[in-house]
Amino acid sequence: AQSVTQPDARVTVSEGASLQLRCKYSYSGTPYLFWYVQYPRQGLQLLLKYYSGDPVVQGVNGFEAEFSKSNSSFHLRKASVHWSDSAVYFCVLSLTGNYKYVFGAGTRLKVIA
Amino acid sequence: EAAVTQSPRNKVTVTGGNVTLSCRQTNSHNYMYWYRQDTGHGLRLIHYSYGAGNLQIGDVPDGYKATRTTQEDFFLLLELASPSQTSLYFCASSVTNQDTQYFGPGTRLLVL
Repeated sequence: AQSVTQPDARVTVSEGASLQLRCKYSYSGTPYLFWYVQYPRQGLQLLLKYYSGDPVVQGVNGFEAEFSKSNSSFHLRKASVHWSDSAVYFCVLSLTGNYKYVFGAGTRLKVIA
Repeated sequence: EAAVTQSPRNKVTVTGGNVTLSCRQTNSHNYMYWYRQDTGHGLRLIHYSYGAGNLQIGDVPDGYKATRTTQEDFFLLLELASPSQTSLYFCASSVTNQDTQYFGPGTRLLVL
């Protein structure tokens, strides 16, 4: 069955440090992959998406993600985090020819001074 | 920027009560979705629709009905609310079923 695993439920980093949030997916078809962010008391907002082509995709606010078919991964990165990046981040898999989004459980990021 | 609004933002009801959650999108998107968000589960799809009058069952439909009255409006109905339906509910819309989904701000429902 299709699934998305975000192995880190919580991550704490210092402001200005680099960040990697991990995402592994399980799907035999061609995956469409997304990262969404949820700020407190708000809905989810798209950070970036990958459909095909260059495996490194750029998103908003300095975020990028790298798709690896061999590792079934789609890790999110940022070179230098800001306190305002504190939020919950969701990795999402969209299945080819299907309505369905498969959500990871989310990673709660806390940025400390 | 796609706009999805939800009402009410917060709702308290009692067990057995009747609740309607409303969602409106103003971007003429074909697809609309209702999700619930619970700690440790991410978002789970309740129902979705690909146009006015259409309704499709999602992954956790039990206890929920939905209706898409127009291209813009999608409603979620809880006719006999139970405490297990206490959750944060999100509506979303998209142009196609694989495109970016745009989410509303959520409705927090408490069933006592």
